[in-house]
Amino acid sequence: DTGVSQDPRHKITKRGQNVTFRCDPISEHNRLYWYRQTLGQGPEFLTYFQNEAQLEKSRLLSDRFSAERPKGSFSTLEIQRTEQGDSAMYLCASTVGGDEQYFGPGTRLTVT
Amino acid sequence: QKEVEQDPGPLSVPEGAIVSLNCTYSNSAFQYFMWYRQYSRKGPELLMYTYSSGNKEDGRFTAQVDKSSKYISLFIRDSQPSDSATYLCAMSAESGANNLFFGTGTRLTVIP
Repeated sequence: DTGVSQDPRHKITKRGQNVTFRCDPISEHNRLYWYRQTLGQGPEFLTYFQNEAQLEKSRLLSDRFSAERPKGSFSTLEIQRTEQGDSAMYLCASTVGGDEQYFGPGTRLTVT
Repeated sequence: QKEVEQDPGPLSVPEGAIVSLNCTYSNSAFQYFMWYRQYSRKGPELLMYTYSSGNKEDGRFTAQVDKSSKYISLFIRDSQPSDSATYLCAMSAESGANNLFFGTGTRLTVIP
């Protein structure tokens, strides 16, 4: 399978714990995006990378959130001190520079 | 007011019907328009990508863009039960834009 992959697919954590998600984009895709999607809503942009550089962050991305893309390949999204409001689907997408973003299956986070 | 408005449905149609899904938007700078299909607990899958006004057809799917009315549509002909999913419209102002603006999605059920 050469699509975008995300790991884990589902994460259950207790409030206050830290969690980290991983995204592997389609090979050769230089742009990588993170979105958050809550029930009944469309995805909302969080941040994006051009190669290893993080070029934009949404105001939705509080200081508890951090994302990295070392070496311009896979990316990680970490949430520190999770809150119940962080419960959502976290989606990763990649593209080779155009608008046709290809999404992964998402990581569903449940904070109890 | 949200930048992209989409009727969340739900919409139920019999198999074989023609389905019409719509979005309106407020930002006249949007030029690139996409439709994604999202099955339950999966990531969005790109269906159609269009630039500026006009029609684009791909198999049973037709996308229409009317920039003067700030209105886009997706038509599905000969709908199938496998088309049952949530359909998300998305748009951006520039080619290779940093992020996409999504509608809330319309949940469609095609009844056999």
